[in-house]
Amino acid sequence: IAGITQAPTSQILAAGRRMTLRCTQDMRHNAMYWYRQDLGLGLRLIHYSNTAGTTGKGEVPDGYSVSRANTDDFPLTLASAVPSQTSVYFCASKASGMSHTQYFGPGTRLTVL
Amino acid sequence: KQEVTQIPAALSVPEGENLVLNCSFTDSAIYNLQWFRQDPGKGLTSLLLIQSSQREQTSGRLNASLDKSSGRSTLYIAASQPGDSATYLCAVIASGGSYIPTFGRGTSLIVHP
Repeated sequence: IAGITQAPTSQILAAGRRMTLRCTQDMRHNAMYWYRQDLGLGLRLIHYSNTAGTTGKGEVPDGYSVSRANTDDFPLTLASAVPSQTSVYFCASKASGMSHTQYFGPGTRLTVL
Repeated sequence: KQEVTQIPAALSVPEGENLVLNCSFTDSAIYNLQWFRQDPGKGLTSLLLIQSSQREQTSGRLNASLDKSSGRSTLYIAASQPGDSATYLCAVIASGGSYIPTFGRGTSLIVHP
């Protein structure tokens, strides 16, 4: 099935633990994005990648890291989780060019205790 | 820095009404503007994408307009149905930058029978 998959669907994590959220797309899109969505704050960009091998920082990158070793995968790592990272995380991808829309994954609900 | 504002934040209407959702942005130098729908607990789904050279886009009962000079877009929903209940978000991609979308915080719509 074409689209974006995210794993896990949800996770409860103890503070201080390391966690990697996985994101895979099969549409061969060049650009990929990680957002967090919090009530009252909307969607905020964490990191992005315009093409495999490159990454960039978004609005709220602190405490998160990403890698883009290939076109399909864009994992997001929390090196040492803190309660303020409790959120819903969305991965998105987009083909190159301004006429193309973003496609979003179903999200990962993360709770850090 | 581009800022995107959506008014109203929430809206409740009876079934059958025509309604307008508003999106304003501070920097008129944009490549495109998108409208998304988000159902509770789900990811975002693209509804309409308007290129900077276009004035409007239509899909079924949805019509989105763009006025770059005034920094505004509207999403018109005709003959609303309970199934239209969702949160609607707009996002703009500014020109001359890294092509990163900036999202509004959304309008939460409830259409009651």
